[in-house]
Amino acid sequence: DAKTTQPNSMESNEEEPVHLPCNHSTISGTDYIHWYRQLPSQGPEYVIHGLTSNVNNRMASLAIAEDRKSSTLILHRATLRDAAVYYCTRQRTYKYIFGTGTRLKVLA
Amino acid sequence: GAGVSQSPRYKVAKRGQDVALRCDPISGHVSLFWYQQALGQGPEFLTYFQNEAQLDKSGLPSDRFFAERPEGSVSTLKIQRTQQEDSAVYLCASSPPRVSAGGPSYNEQFFGPGTRLTVL
Repeated sequence: DAKTTQPNSMESNEEEPVHLPCNHSTISGTDYIHWYRQLPSQGPEYVIHGLTSNVNNRMASLAIAEDRKSSTLILHRATLRDAAVYYCTRQRTYKYIFGTGTRLKVLA
Repeated sequence: GAGVSQSPRYKVAKRGQDVALRCDPISGHVSLFWYQQALGQGPEFLTYFQNEAQLDKSGLPSDRFFAERPEGSVSTLKIQRTQQEDSAVYLCASSPPRVSAGGPSYNEQFFGPGTRLTVL
């Protein structure tokens, strides 16, 4: 199962929006896209998930390309507490397939 | 409520020792997963339980790795004759039954803080 691909790192200024891209070109029609984030010395924490349509929740928005081969996690106003490694994952039945993640640095 | 807990949080073992890592999932969660996370990498799937049944152990790296969940709640990951390449963070996750809103089902996994294993 092919992993998702993400940029290794990104930077953002505090209070500005952040767009974190993910490529999942081998995704199948029934795979969900999940985003998790991981703070140092903690386990991954759920952020958002979607299948085909764009999704919004209190933490973030998820924009899914029409062909589903890529998606973008949008943090509307980055805060210092959003600094973490963000993982885009594919869920196929019960199995999550993680990529290497994007380390987000938020500048004050 | 209480989340997923793991113990110990840190474990140092000498090469060749056996180790046992414990996971306490969220009460009522039927599914339990173990992952291995090497430094700078994303988590890699090891094994999956539904209640006490181990339905998938395809990710276990070798026959030195063994996992069990005898009563469908607490799980133990055992590594025999540890090697240096076993050094990693071992994550446990649990999830409730999958949700299906008229389409393919999905679930959210709740992760514990992990056990950092260092083999000297």
